[in-house]
Amino acid sequence: EVQLVASGGGLVQPGGSLTLSCAASGLTFNNYWMHWVRQAPGKGLVWVSLTESDGSTTYADSVKGRFTISRDNAKSALYLQMNSLRAEDTALYSCVGFSSNGACWGQGTLVTVSS
Amino acid sequence: DIVMTQSPLSLPVTPGEPASISCRSSLSLLQSNGYNYLGWLLQKPGQSPHLLIYLGSNRASGVPDRFSGSGSGTDFTLKISRVEAEDVGVYYCMQALQTPLTFGQGTRLEIE
Repeated sequence: EVQLVASGGGLVQPGGSLTLSCAASGLTFNNYWMHWVRQAPGKGLVWVSLTESDGSTTYADSVKGRFTISRDNAKSALYLQMNSLRAEDTALYSCVGFSSNGACWGQGTLVTVSS
Repeated sequence: DIVMTQSPLSLPVTPGEPASISCRSSLSLLQSNGYNYLGWLLQKPGQSPHLLIYLGSNRASGVPDRFSGSGSGTDFTLKISRVEAEDVGVYYCMQALQTPLTFGQGTRLEIE
């Protein structure tokens, strides 16, 4: 069974840092383009970042320069290093994967940025 | 960015009756490999979204067969053959053809 399990969320002060992780199983991880998607409380879904199979990366303008996405294909793991966090980064963060013929969506981990 | 438009935004349904949600994309989601990069998600109250349908018509693991996806190009439909009480929540369509991933506004299904 394909599974993505995100972890690492929590309460952090404005300006602080947090690293999210996503453990993948049941799929050929290095075939998948992996994304982070977030959802602020009561709001819709918003794309955050992508890492392609070869490790190249893309970011939404709202997080560029503050967030870093990375992957470890040997460990089937995805990461999101978040720095200089702001109140507006408060959201449920989900890891999502797509290949040429497959897709998976993990349960989210909640990040709350507040003093 | 590809714009995803859903209708209706609210869908009251009687248990046992069918339901249908439409999704339109601003760009064709059909790639040269024959796949439509369109997915459907369900977010139940108080939960994370989870994947129902991917590549336009493929049910994700564990999804009941009362859920089906159809369509191609720019017009897609999610159908529930017989709605059950556990199907309440917000349904989103999404495209995975281009980055950024983009999502519909969501359709709230409620039981009458």
